[in-house]
Amino acid sequence: GAVVSQHPSRVICKSGTSVKIECRSLDFQATTMFWYRQFPKQSLMLMATSNEGSKATYEQGVEKDKFLINHASLTLSTLTVTSAHPEDSSFYICSARDITSVGEKLFFGSGTQLSVL
Amino acid sequence: AQTVTQSQPEMSVQEAETVTLSCTYDTSESNYYLFWYKQPPSRQMILVIRQEAYKQQNATENRFSVNFQKAAKSFSLKISDSQLGDTAMYFCAFIRNNNDMRFGAGTRLTVKP
Repeated sequence: GAVVSQHPSRVICKSGTSVKIECRSLDFQATTMFWYRQFPKQSLMLMATSNEGSKATYEQGVEKDKFLINHASLTLSTLTVTSAHPEDSSFYICSARDITSVGEKLFFGSGTQLSVL
Repeated sequence: AQTVTQSQPEMSVQEAETVTLSCTYDTSESNYYLFWYKQPPSRQMILVIRQEAYKQQNATENRFSVNFQKAAKSFSLKISDSQLGDTAMYFCAFIRNNNDMRFGAGTRLTVKP
């Protein structure tokens, strides 16, 4: 089946630094990728929709200047948490839509646990 | 707006027995897709089953089946012959054409030996 690779799986950083998370579709092209955030024992909350070659669409309440999303190719989207603070500590998951599949199919990365000290 | 509601925060079942997880959703669309995802402690999202709204036949995947009631906007998941490895968070999800996937709050299922 289709594979989405997400790196790093875990990152610890100091407050005020920036962290980049990569999401790659390994064996399919993804014009659209999604970034979710998940707090402990809670559901996945959509942060933004990333479209190849255009600006990302952010959900209400998500700071676009803090969470920078770049989708420069059909197989790669990146999420950069800028000037991270402890409240940004969370589990971040990406998903990608396979444009060649029949019907809606999303494939998920394995997630990134961000801890900001 | 589309919403997904899972009213059972936690459920438990004895090994080898059957359990049903509930999900309701709200949409004005006629064509959409519904999913159940499993999230074990590893936190990898695993697709359990998928249902296309225009199909009346309920989807089935081995021990997993759904009861899709379109008029009632209900999409429950039945797990038969429960196994210890089924212990996980289960999320009901909804997506319509070219839109993002929205998740319910989740149900934590524990299979007891």
